[in-house]
Amino acid sequence: GAGVSQSPRYKVAKRGQDVALRCDPISGHVSLFWYQQALGQGPEFLTYFQNEAQLDKSGLPSDRFFAERPEGSVSTLKIQRTQQEDSAVYLCASSLAGGVANTGELFFGEGSRLTVL
Amino acid sequence: EDQVTQSPEALRLQEGESSSLNCSYTVSGLRGLFWYRQDPGKGPEFLFTLYSAGEEKEKERLKATLTKKESFLHITAPKPEDSATYLCAVQVGSYIPTFGRGTSLIVHP
Repeated sequence: GAGVSQSPRYKVAKRGQDVALRCDPISGHVSLFWYQQALGQGPEFLTYFQNEAQLDKSGLPSDRFFAERPEGSVSTLKIQRTQQEDSAVYLCASSLAGGVANTGELFFGEGSRLTVL
Repeated sequence: EDQVTQSPEALRLQEGESSSLNCSYTVSGLRGLFWYRQDPGKGPEFLFTLYSAGEEKEKERLKATLTKKESFLHITAPKPEDSATYLCAVQVGSYIPTFGRGTSLIVHP
């Protein structure tokens, strides 16, 4: 498709389970961002990739969170040993340019809603 | 300390009742300020980028303005389909937009 695709759209996990969330960005987009959005809040930055390089992971809340983009296209956000506080919508966004050329025009997917019981 | 503060948190308007949403920021070295629209269950959708004080952008019933401390999103004669959450984000130094909490707008017919 022409837009950013995320899967699964909905995920229910038991506390302690590992989950993997996938993001398929717009073809040719250099930058890829992951954000976490709690109910009624704005998106909170998690991590940023420029092509396959993870340039910023300062927003990852703990070492249970891991993200990769091995070939510079599809990205996976993995959460190990999920906790209830991990329940949120995880948004992926891509943009055409990288680094300082990034204009801030991000194209977002519809998100993956994670519920941890 | 929040870098981006949006107000009000929620706004209810009657169709045709114009109003403004505010986004104030406390960062220095602003590279860009962005407005996004988010519908329930969807990801944010880009609306505008503003780069310098005095700049204005328009799209249909929406007009965004920027000063050195804040941005306004003016909505003229809103329609029910304008109901959404409006998010403001700033870009400082790095390339990573930082978002505010948003203003939830409901326009009643």
